[in-house]
Amino acid sequence: GAVVSQHPSWVICKSGTSVKIECRSLDFQATTMFWYRQFPKQSLMLMATSNEGSKATYEQGVEKDKFLINHASLTLSTLTVTSAHPEDSSFYICSAGQPLEAFFGQGTRLTVV
Amino acid sequence: AQTVTQSQPEMSVQEAETVTLSCTYDTSESNYYLFWYKQPPSRQMILVIRQEAYKQQNATENRFSVNFQKAAKSFSLKISDSQLGDTAMYFCAFMRHDYKLSFGAGTTVTVRA
Repeated sequence: GAVVSQHPSWVICKSGTSVKIECRSLDFQATTMFWYRQFPKQSLMLMATSNEGSKATYEQGVEKDKFLINHASLTLSTLTVTSAHPEDSSFYICSAGQPLEAFFGQGTRLTVV
Repeated sequence: AQTVTQSQPEMSVQEAETVTLSCTYDTSESNYYLFWYKQPPSRQMILVIRQEAYKQQNATENRFSVNFQKAAKSFSLKISDSQLGDTAMYFCAFMRHDYKLSFGAGTTVTVRA
């Protein structure tokens, strides 16, 4: 199947700083990518839809100014967590692919200290 | 809005035995897709099986099969001949018309040797 690569796999940052997470589709073009957040032993919650060449659309309750999404090319979407706080610590996962099959990145564990 | 319900937080099964995971969903859409995803300890999301709502025949993939009851809005997963590598968290998911996925809370499956 297709490959979606997410980087970094884990990151630790200080409170108040920003951190960028990259999601790349390695062998296909993705006009749309999705970003999810997952707390330990819980489900994946959709945060936003990343659209190539246009603004991202955010799910209700997600702060768009805190979670900045950029989809500048057909193979790359980035999620920037701005002014991170300990409560932003979580596992972030991206997905992309054909409409009937989503391919997921390996996830990024963010720890804010 | 779509909701996906998995009522079994944890399931344990002996190696080589069969286990069935339940999933119900609620939607007003007439055509949609349902999925079961597996998330092993590595946390990489892996597609297990997919069912198209307009197809009456239940999907099967090797040892994995589903029982899709559209009228009851039920979509259970049966794992036959369970293997140690099946140990993972399993998520039932519903794909909306805009290709967004809604996930259930997940069922942790432990296969005992």
